[in-house]
Amino acid sequence: DTGVSQNPRHKITKRGQNVTFRCDPISEHNRLYWYRQTLGQGPEFLTYFQNEAQLEKSRLLSDRFSAERPKGSFSTLEIQRTEQGDSAMYLCASPEGSGTEAFFGQGTRLTVV
Amino acid sequence: GIQVEQSPPDLILQEGANSTLRCNFSDSVNNLQWFHQNPWGQLINLFYIPSGTKQNGRLSATTVATERYSLLYISSSQTTDSGVYFCAVERRGSGYALNFGKGTSLLVTP
Repeated sequence: DTGVSQNPRHKITKRGQNVTFRCDPISEHNRLYWYRQTLGQGPEFLTYFQNEAQLEKSRLLSDRFSAERPKGSFSTLEIQRTEQGDSAMYLCASPEGSGTEAFFGQGTRLTVV
Repeated sequence: GIQVEQSPPDLILQEGANSTLRCNFSDSVNNLQWFHQNPWGQLINLFYIPSGTKQNGRLSATTVATERYSLLYISSSQTTDSGVYFCAVERRGSGYALNFGKGTSLLVTP
C-alpha cells in the first residue's frame, strides 16, 4: 500500500458518456500528478497540482478533460463525451515535492465501448 | 522535453539468471526512480536513485548522473520478477512531472 488511493479501480462506459475518477494522495504531500498509460507504453504526464493550484497541463489534456483539487486535498479527473481513444489506465502520483520520491495509486482502468 | 530510453525492450530469462536493465536520459535530473509494474497495473517503487548506488535484496541500482544513465541489476531472478520495469526521471529545474521510458518487459521462466 503506497498510501495513494484511486477510485474506481475499473470503469466501463459507453462512448459519449462522462466519467469522473478520484485520487486521494498522501495527506501531507502538497503535489499531485495525473498520468495516462496506454497499452505497451509508459505513463504519460497529464497535469499536476501544487495544493489547489493546477500548475501545468500536458498537450494530451484535451478540452474534454478537466481536473480539480478543491482545498488541496483529493483530486478528480473528469472526461466528458468519452471516446474509444480515451481507453487507458489513469494513474495518480503523490510526491512530497520537486525532486522527491513519487508514490502511485493503483490506477483506474477505463474502457470505452 | 527530456528523453528517456530503456534497453532492452524485452528480456526472457531462466529462473536463477542475472540481468541488467539500462536507462539513458538526455538531460540533468534531480529525480530518478525505478518501478516494477505488476499485472494489475500497480507501479511498485523499487528505487529512488538520482545518483549513487543502492541495494535492496536481490535488486540493486546505480545512477551515474554525470554520464546520464542508470542501471538496474536483478540477481538470481525468480518468476515473480516478471513484469514491466520502468525508469522515470524528473528534469532538473523543471519542478514538474516524471518522464517515463517505454519500459523493459521481463519474463522469467521456471
